[in-house]
Amino acid sequence: GAVVSQHPSRVICKSGTSVKIECRSLDFQATTMFWYRQFPKQSLMLMATSNEGSKATYEQGVEKDKFLINHASLTLSTLTVTSAHPEDSSFYICSANLAGLNEQFFGPGTRLTVL
Amino acid sequence: KNQVEQSPQSLIILEGKNCTLQCNYTVSPFSNLRWYKQDTGRGPVSLTIMTFSENTKSNGRYTATLDADTKQSSLHITASQLSDSASYICVVSALSGTYKYIFGTGTRLKVLA
Repeated sequence: GAVVSQHPSRVICKSGTSVKIECRSLDFQATTMFWYRQFPKQSLMLMATSNEGSKATYEQGVEKDKFLINHASLTLSTLTVTSAHPEDSSFYICSANLAGLNEQFFGPGTRLTVL
Repeated sequence: KNQVEQSPQSLIILEGKNCTLQCNYTVSPFSNLRWYKQDTGRGPVSLTIMTFSENTKSNGRYTATLDADTKQSSLHITASQLSDSASYICVVSALSGTYKYIFGTGTRLKVLA
């Protein structure tokens, strides 16, 4: 149980385009989902906390207009990287919090490469 | 400031050998501490979780210890295998209304044949 999926697993796009990444909790309801970014040889960095039905809370230094987060249901959150640039190339990981528990379950990650 | 630091930054060992990874934290008030294994290009997978009152927790060849007084934790890997090559991340949660994790810098382990 407690499986989190991400789609796509890998995406390559041209500079200036927008990319949408999906995060799904497959067998549980997640009131809170988290989005992380991980650069090579570094640990995960929290970008934003997403609560179902409300606006996401962004960490300091993360542009909310660039990284659009939608958490429309208890099993799906999406991260859209708008007008992507090469510096946005990174490994994006989501996690889902099992309602009522202080436990995050991580997705397998999405590798974004912006040319 | 809540911080989690790990050492060593990287480690190379021979297959079959044991190793111990260290984690020091300054998170307060402390809720729990987790060790994760992250294979390259994959999301983190939980190995162990310990609360304030727990001193040790095992998961197969992985044994984690916790000293809440000194705010230190260790992850001991016994009889290492090639598949243990990965990054090991120490994650601490604070007692708060949110479920935010504070991530350590990670230790990159390489097991050689």
